[in-house]
Amino acid sequence: DIQMTQSPSTLSASVGDRVTITCRASQSISSWLAWYQQKPGKAPKLLIYKASSLESGVPSRFSGSGSGTEFTLTISSLQPDDFATYYCQQYMSYSRTFGQGTKVEIK
Amino acid sequence: EVQLVESGGGLVQPGGSLRLSCAASGFTFSSYEMSWVRQAPGKGLEWVSYISSGYNTYYADSVKGRFTISRDNAENSLYLQMNSLRAEDTAVYYCARLPTTFAGFDYWGQGTLVTVSS
Repeated sequence: DIQMTQSPSTLSASVGDRVTITCRASQSISSWLAWYQQKPGKAPKLLIYKASSLESGVPSRFSGSGSGTEFTLTISSLQPDDFATYYCQQYMSYSRTFGQGTKVEIK
Repeated sequence: EVQLVESGGGLVQPGGSLRLSCAASGFTFSSYEMSWVRQAPGKGLEWVSYISSGYNTYYADSVKGRFTISRDNAENSLYLQMNSLRAEDTAVYYCARLPTTFAGFDYWGQGTLVTVSS
């Protein structure tokens, strides 16, 4: 199975900060990567698909980049609503593994 | 409006069985691939199973041979039959929609909690 590793596990930041989360795949997944945001007690929400395509309705401060084995999610200016946990997910294979998550906390 | 509503969760003893359901509305269910994803308390997301519009199925190694995914397009419903349940299967189970094979999950249900405990 393809393993997904996110870093950092926890990130402390302030409103207005630029935030970057990294996701690494154990083998090349081309651009078959999605990013999700999850808030406590809620289902995940799709932010980015195909590594860099913004899902409809998602604010433009979110962006994704990368291909192959290394990917990043960037929030250009952190807003109060963005404090949440973020997950990457590969869909190169039918076994659609997730990263372990990155919690973005208020500094 | 797309809606996915899970049901069937609850408390079950180790070794027991449970059947989860996901009622879909607001889209042509038969045309979409679907999956189950779970989240153990305080833990991350784990993909569990997938079913294509053509009824092809795939499973995570952790549930292979114990869980069975199925769908009833006439009823617009997705199911997960869970047998030989273990404590480590305790989680919130979400059903999720795939817009295409190579895509992220664009819609999720609210989840149903399965607790495996004696």
